[in-house]
Amino acid sequence: KAGVTQTPRYLIKTRGQQVTLSCSPISGHRSVSWYQQTPGQGLQFLFEYFSETQRNKGNFPGRFSGRQFSNSRSEMNVSTLELGDSALYLCASSLDSVQETQYFGPGTRLLVL
Amino acid sequence: QQQVKQSPQSLIVQKGGISIINCAYENTAFDYFPWYQQFPGKGPALLIAIRPDVSEKKEGRFTISFNKSAKQFSLHIMDSQPGDSATYFCAAKAAGNKLTFGGGTRVLVKP
Repeated sequence: KAGVTQTPRYLIKTRGQQVTLSCSPISGHRSVSWYQQTPGQGLQFLFEYFSETQRNKGNFPGRFSGRQFSNSRSEMNVSTLELGDSALYLCASSLDSVQETQYFGPGTRLLVL
Repeated sequence: QQQVKQSPQSLIVQKGGISIINCAYENTAFDYFPWYQQFPGKGPALLIAIRPDVSEKKEGRFTISFNKSAKQFSLHIMDSQPGDSATYFCAAKAAGNKLTFGGGTRVLVKP
């Protein structure tokens, strides 16, 4: 089975722009979670989607949003980018919203200049 | 609020030695405690996980010890190898799929 894939792998944007990141979960997995990883704050939960519905949300401003499609693929969007949004954005998938094991993708490295 | 505290931030161990990483949590609603291993440029990979009704779980050279009353759990890496050099994260989860991570421990295994 193919693992979690994320595109693009690297991205450079400037302040004020917006960005959309994509995640394709493992085949058959219906839950997709997003995390932000930075040297200062570590790994922080952004949100989780299950069957196209947001089930959990972390403590991030409304500039961070996401959605999930009927094929379980997910996108996250960050509007009005700030320098502090530079991070590795990780997507994790699991079989459902109860099954514990989450499998992470390689991440998208976002640099905001 | 940092709900999962991890220590040490880094450690150096000789090949064949034991690496020990400790985590403490505050939220008693947590009911699943995984450990992840992350290499540079890669996403975290699940190593081993435990639930609070078990005090110890072993998988190969990796062992989790869990102390529910103290709200602490630890990862032991036996017979550490240079290939184990990575960053290790403990995490905890309550209902749903939100993982709360510790700050990470960078492990260097010297040959």
